[in-house]
Amino acid sequence: EVQLLESGGGLGQPGGSLRLSCAASGFTFNNYAMSWVRQAPGKGLEWVSAIGGSGIKTYYTDSVKGRFTISRDDSKNTLYLQMNSLRAEDTAVYYCAKVITGATGARGIDSWGQGTLVTVSS
Amino acid sequence: QSALTQPASVSGSPGQSITISCTGTSSDIGGYNYVSWYQQHPGKAPKLILYDVNKWPSGVSNRFSGSKSGNTASLTISGLQAEDEADYYCSSYTSSSPVVFGGGTKLTVL
Repeated sequence: EVQLLESGGGLGQPGGSLRLSCAASGFTFNNYAMSWVRQAPGKGLEWVSAIGGSGIKTYYTDSVKGRFTISRDDSKNTLYLQMNSLRAEDTAVYYCAKVITGATGARGIDSWGQGTLVTVSS
Repeated sequence: QSALTQPASVSGSPGQSITISCTGTSSDIGGYNYVSWYQQHPGKAPKLILYDVNKWPSGVSNRFSGSKSGNTASLTISGLQAEDEADYYCSSYTSSSPVVFGGGTKLTVL
């Protein structure tokens, strides 16, 4: 059974930093692309970032480019999201997600963590 | 990276069928057969219910079906049940980013 367990959420200061982690189990982690998706309170889903199975290719939504960094440690089956220069609009539940990939791109997200809440406020 | 367009809400009675549309562009839905749909109950993580436009993940009811025409994808739920009341999101691969989501549709079972 696939399990994705996020941690690291909490209260962050505007302009500050937080680091999210996602411990994965139940599948061969290094074979899969992974992603972070967030959901602001009462709002819809927003894709944030993705990383290829090799860890070489990374992707970001425009609003977090230059502020957030996605990475992975395949030896620890763990995905990370380093969040710098935090803004109030980054407040959301952050989900770790396992991506189904095809020959030309991402086909969907077949597993989700339970989410970790990030609140940016002074 | 504009979001896909979904109706804000739909409703139906038990046993009926409803359809949720998801409109994009030739750079996302119209250009790839990588459309997926997610169901999200309040306070829960999303759940994949369709991928590759019309494929079911293991364990998902065949009351959920998907289709695509041009730049618009559709999710149809047949034999509506009370447990289907949830938020539904479409998603697509795009030429500029791996994933874009729709704004979400709230389904109310009357």
